[in-house]
Amino acid sequence: KNEVEQSPQNLTAQEGEFITINCSYSVGISALHWLQQHPGGGIVSLFMLSSGKKKHGRLIATINIQEKHSSLHITASHPRDSAVYICAVRRSYNTDKLIFGTGTRLQVFP
Amino acid sequence: GAVVSQHPSWVICKSGTSVKIECRSLDFQATTMFWYRQFPKQSLMLMATSNEGSKATYEQGVEKDKFLINHASLTLSTLTVTSAHPEDSSFYICSAGEAGQFFGPGTRLTVL
Repeated sequence: KNEVEQSPQNLTAQEGEFITINCSYSVGISALHWLQQHPGGGIVSLFMLSSGKKKHGRLIATINIQEKHSSLHITASHPRDSAVYICAVRRSYNTDKLIFGTGTRLQVFP
Repeated sequence: GAVVSQHPSWVICKSGTSVKIECRSLDFQATTMFWYRQFPKQSLMLMATSNEGSKATYEQGVEKDKFLINHASLTLSTLTVTSAHPEDSSFYICSAGEAGQFFGPGTRLTVL
């Protein structure tokens, strides 16, 4: 079993829909990252969380440390949000490495 | 946010040749950089942790003699794929930053 699990693996939506991507992890962590990878390959860091909730524009990320679960929400989705969204965690006892989820491929249609 | 660049963005080479990929932190110093490879539709796989002024730390199963890493300055790490073979064709990405959260744009390597 992977230490970081994401769901769903694939997601399609109509423009304007509210989207939720989930991430569960099984190790103690010091931080959790949400990353966005566009078809060209470049990766952008969206959020780094250790507790609570963060918001940036139409993106909201939450984390529940007790439940070892995080969600990424996209409000009023747009075709330009189409990308792969990756959850990655940094272990509590090894601060060098990120452990990645397998990603969620999102396609938003006009 | 901080910027990490990679060069080249893509490279095609013949089997048996060596290819060098550069990773630079443009507006900050990075004592540690990370090298990943990614196969199509798969997640990133950490290859090695590059440490400025010392030897890189390789992940299990990654051949250190094949993937040479040099971190000679606080802003530059290089990955050299030696004697490249078609199975080395992949997307190579570096990252840097306090939490390794700043990623380069990646280098697509195709070995013919």
